[in-house]
Order: sequence, then C-alpha cells, then structure tokens
Amino acid sequence: GDSVTQMEGPVTLSEEAFLTINCTYTATGYPSLFWYVQYPGEGLQLLLKATKADDKGSNKGFEATYRKETTSFHLEKGSVQVSDSAVYFCASSRNKFYFGSGTKLNVKP
Amino acid sequence: DTAVSQTPKYLVTQMGNDKSIKCEQNLGHDTMYWYKQDSKKFLKIMFSYNNKELIINETVPNRFSPKSPDKAHLNLHINSLELGDSAVYFCASSPSGRNTDTQYFGPGTRLTVL
Repeated sequence: GDSVTQMEGPVTLSEEAFLTINCTYTATGYPSLFWYVQYPGEGLQLLLKATKADDKGSNKGFEATYRKETTSFHLEKGSVQVSDSAVYFCASSRNKFYFGSGTKLNVKP
Repeated sequence: DTAVSQTPKYLVTQMGNDKSIKCEQNLGHDTMYWYKQDSKKFLKIMFSYNNKELIINETVPNRFSPKSPDKAHLNLHINSLELGDSAVYFCASSPSGRNTDTQYFGPGTRLTVL
C-alpha cells in the first residue's frame, strides 16, 4: 500500500542555517504531495503542495520539488528562523492522505 | 472566523465512560475527516465523510462511531473509553475529497483517559 517515509528528528539548527528534511513516498500511480507544519498545541497547517511530477511548491521561503524518478519530495529552506521551530509532516494523497511520522525542527538563536 | 473548529479542546475522563467530540467547518466543504495522533505524533486517518456519507472507515474499533448530521458537521462518539484511546484527535475538511485537495485541520482535541 501507499506510504510516506521522512527523516527522523529532532533536527536542531542554528538560525540562518540551511534546512533539508527528506521525504520519500511509495504509491501506485501519481499522488499529490504535501508538506504540513504543526506548531505546538495547534493543528496542522498546509505549508506547500505539488500535484504532478516536476512541480515545485513554495511558501514562506520553503520549497519542495515533486521528483517522480526518485519518488521524493524533500523540503528545503535557505535560512531558517527561530519561528520555524515546529513539527513538519510530509503527506501523499491518493484516495486518502498518508502522513509521514513527522520531523521536529528546533532552531536556536 | 475559525475555519474548522472542534470542541472540547481538552477532555479528561475515566476508563469505561462514553464521550463525544464535535467538529464544525464553515468553509462550505463537502468532505470531512477524523484523524488520531498518538504520543509519537504519528497521524492516522480514522473516518471520512462526503456529503454526510461514510466513504472511508479504517480499522477502528466499533466503539468509535462518527455521525454527520449535515455536511458542515462531523462528530465522533466513543463508547467504553480505554487507556489506549488517549491521543489528540483532529478533524479536517477538504473541498471535495479529490487527491489534489488541501485538507484543512481543526486545532485538535486532547483526550486523556485515566
């Protein structure tokens, strides 16, 4: 069945460091791909999405590109801020949503 | 205006009790969902409704019963609560349930069973 695998955390970075959170998916066919962010005590919010191969989703300085050949959707940001500290979830959607296990990001001043 | 709202935000109860969680969305969406997030943050779908009709029913104990009185509401009733039911429960909605749809999440209900 479909599944999503993302790197385990926590990931700890200093402010202004480069961020990569890896995400790979397994699916029959071509799902839509999403990154959601969860701040402490809150629900999930959409960060970005891509609905077909080679699409790039971007928002708030975060980017991810739908790579069909490597079945990946890695999240990147060039310069993280303390306010980016949260849990990040990768998800695929084909008939229903499949979420990765989440990666906690801690950004230190 | 809150797009997807849930009540209560916190629920503490004893084993064996019956409790309900309510969810409402004011986005005009056709599809609503219930998810369970465990202590390790793993998020798993439980149920999905489209226009009041059940379309996804994952392997969930039959102590859990969703009810959709109209397409803006999806409530979750849990009978005979067990310790393992302790988790955060999220309601979500999407325009039509298509693969490309974004799901919009509520703030969550933290259920603690003692």
